[in-house]
Amino acid sequence: DAGVIQSPRHEVTEMGQEVTLRCKPISGHDYLFWYRQTMMRGLELLIYFNNNVPIDDSGMPEDRFSAKMPNASFSTLKIQPSEPRDSAVYFCASSSLGPNEKLFFGSGTQLSVL
Amino acid sequence: GQQLNQSPQSMFIQEGEDVSMNCTSSSIFNTWLWYKQDPGEGPVLLIALYKAGELTSNGRLTAQFGITRKDSFLNISASIPSDVGIYFCAGQATNYGQNFVFGPGTRLSVLP
Repeated sequence: DAGVIQSPRHEVTEMGQEVTLRCKPISGHDYLFWYRQTMMRGLELLIYFNNNVPIDDSGMPEDRFSAKMPNASFSTLKIQPSEPRDSAVYFCASSSLGPNEKLFFGSGTQLSVL
Repeated sequence: GQQLNQSPQSMFIQEGEDVSMNCTSSSIFNTWLWYKQDPGEGPVLLIALYKAGELTSNGRLTAQFGITRKDSFLNISASIPSDVGIYFCAGQATNYGQNFVFGPGTRLSVLP
């Protein structure tokens, strides 16, 4: 089985540029999550979707961040405009329908904003 | 909000030694997950626990769901070099929804 697939693996951009991170969840999983990982704050939940609908976006830092899930097999996290403090590893994770289900993570996108 | 504490923050052990780490919370959790993260990779699920007192093994790894439901423990027996990494606990405090909270991690180094 293919796991959660994220792209790109690495992204280096200049401050002010738009950044788009992509995620393909595990087939059949109805929940999709975006996390950010930094040394200072650890793993933070940014937003999650259930059946392509955003359920909780309270972790999204500010309006510069937006996430979409146009269909069950694809999601994007966009930062516009990007800032150096956005530099982090961004993970996508998915889980199957039902409460208390396990999260499966992708390999992450290492974002560096110069 | 809910927060998890993990201890120790980091540990250095000799190959072959057993390892114990724990995760504590001020809230009651219904689910505990233990993950391992290798450098440059995403966290990989090791063990999932769903009931207070539950003891589950996965090879050399054993995890327990504390009976108070506010803590969990992970033990690694006979450590090997590939056990190196960061171990995260994650807890879920609600029966519905998917808001897992992650601990800050325990960084394990195994010396040959």
